[in-house]
Amino acid sequence: GENVEQHPSTLSVQEGDSAVIKCTYSDSASNYFPWYKQELGKGPQLIIDIRSNVGEKKDQRIAVTLNKTAKHFSLHITETQPEDSAVYFCAAAGGTSYGKLTFGQGTILTVHP
Amino acid sequence: SQTIHQWPATLVQPVGSPLSLECTVEGTSNPNLYWYRQAAGRGLQLLFYSVGIGQISSEVPQNLSASRPQDRQFILSSKKLLLSDSGFYLCAWEGQGRGTEAFFGQGTRLTVV
Repeated sequence: GENVEQHPSTLSVQEGDSAVIKCTYSDSASNYFPWYKQELGKGPQLIIDIRSNVGEKKDQRIAVTLNKTAKHFSLHITETQPEDSAVYFCAAAGGTSYGKLTFGQGTILTVHP
Repeated sequence: SQTIHQWPATLVQPVGSPLSLECTVEGTSNPNLYWYRQAAGRGLQLLFYSVGIGQISSEVPQNLSASRPQDRQFILSSKKLLLSDSGFYLCAWEGQGRGTEAFFGQGTRLTVV
């Protein structure tokens, strides 16, 4: 089955700096790679996703890149703000069932004012 | 718009007691539905998924079962809870067969004592 590795497990940055979280996956059949943000005691919220036919996607301060050859994808957050502090999860899915996800272990992002 | 509801939000149950967690989705029909579990400080693990009424697929052998008695209702159950069943349980939905994103509910925090 699919295996997703996520690094780092914790990330601490100053407000205004950039943050990068990296994930690798094992199954070359995976074709969908979402990123979720989870605040304490709440369910994960989808913040951005990328499909395998695209190499990069950007939404305001958030961007995701995908390298299919190397089987890795990354989340980039620019101009970080304290409200970006949360746990971030990467995930991977294959076929057309995008809810059947294999998740990474999560990154605790702390943005210091 | 579509919404997903989970209840209860928190639950404390003694070992050996039964469990019933409910998830309902509004504003969509024939969704794919999922149950995930999140252990403390870890990523999400897929437990069950359903593509239609009465259709349940189990991803991980365990003490739990799932049922889908109605199109937009998904229930997670146990006859006798174990301490190891403690965790954060999340329901998710996606539009069926359209390769759409998966959206999560707010979760149920289960503590087995």
